[in-house]
Amino acid sequence: DQQVKQNSPSLSVQEGRISILNCDYTNSMFDYFLWYKKYPAEGPTFLISISSIKDKNEDGRFTVFLNKSAKHLSLHIVPSQPGDSAVYFCAASALGSGAGSYQLTFGKGTKLSVIP
Amino acid sequence: DAGVIQSPRHEVTEMGQEVTLRCKPISGHDYLFWYRQTMMRGLELLIYFNNNVPIDDSGMPEDRFSAKMPNASFSTLKIQPSEPRDSAVYFCASSSASDRGRKTQYFGPGTRLLVL
Repeated sequence: DQQVKQNSPSLSVQEGRISILNCDYTNSMFDYFLWYKKYPAEGPTFLISISSIKDKNEDGRFTVFLNKSAKHLSLHIVPSQPGDSAVYFCAASALGSGAGSYQLTFGKGTKLSVIP
Repeated sequence: DAGVIQSPRHEVTEMGQEVTLRCKPISGHDYLFWYRQTMMRGLELLIYFNNNVPIDDSGMPEDRFSAKMPNASFSTLKIQPSEPRDSAVYFCASSSASDRGRKTQYFGPGTRLLVL
């Protein structure tokens, strides 16, 4: 049972345009969400995160939006650059501060291609 | 900081052989995670430790897999005997409970395992 879903395996966007990557989750106990970026032959690197007490978090060209009622989050990249071409993973962790809450559940990823 | 260090980066072995993957987490981090990435299943959590103690090993596929963390700066993932279906990229990640609740995990570069 996939608790974190990224329904688009791939996305192509023109350089300079907006890239929107989507993620849905089913577990209502998730309260912290992260996006990771992964280049080939490298490990995933942390990009941006959002707590469930917020609905938006921005860091430079990257903005994450959270819609708790819809159990949906999205990552916006504006403007998109060729160097943004990578696989993007959505991840979630559950409420609380105990050891069990540090586990992340990952989606299967969306491969973004930014065309020059 | 050097980040999470994994060795070897690549491993090619024959079916039936023992494989040992190694990980050095970021200094001061008290959580360590082992993941496996395949095309079919994406990024799967195998096991994770808190303060060197295994917290959840429910993701370990079978008894051929074992993991240890003898001290705060070293962990191993062992496969014995290895099988071709174990071919995947294995990632180690670490995080800190003192990271203001952010639960961000930092990944190593991965070990690409090929079992012939």
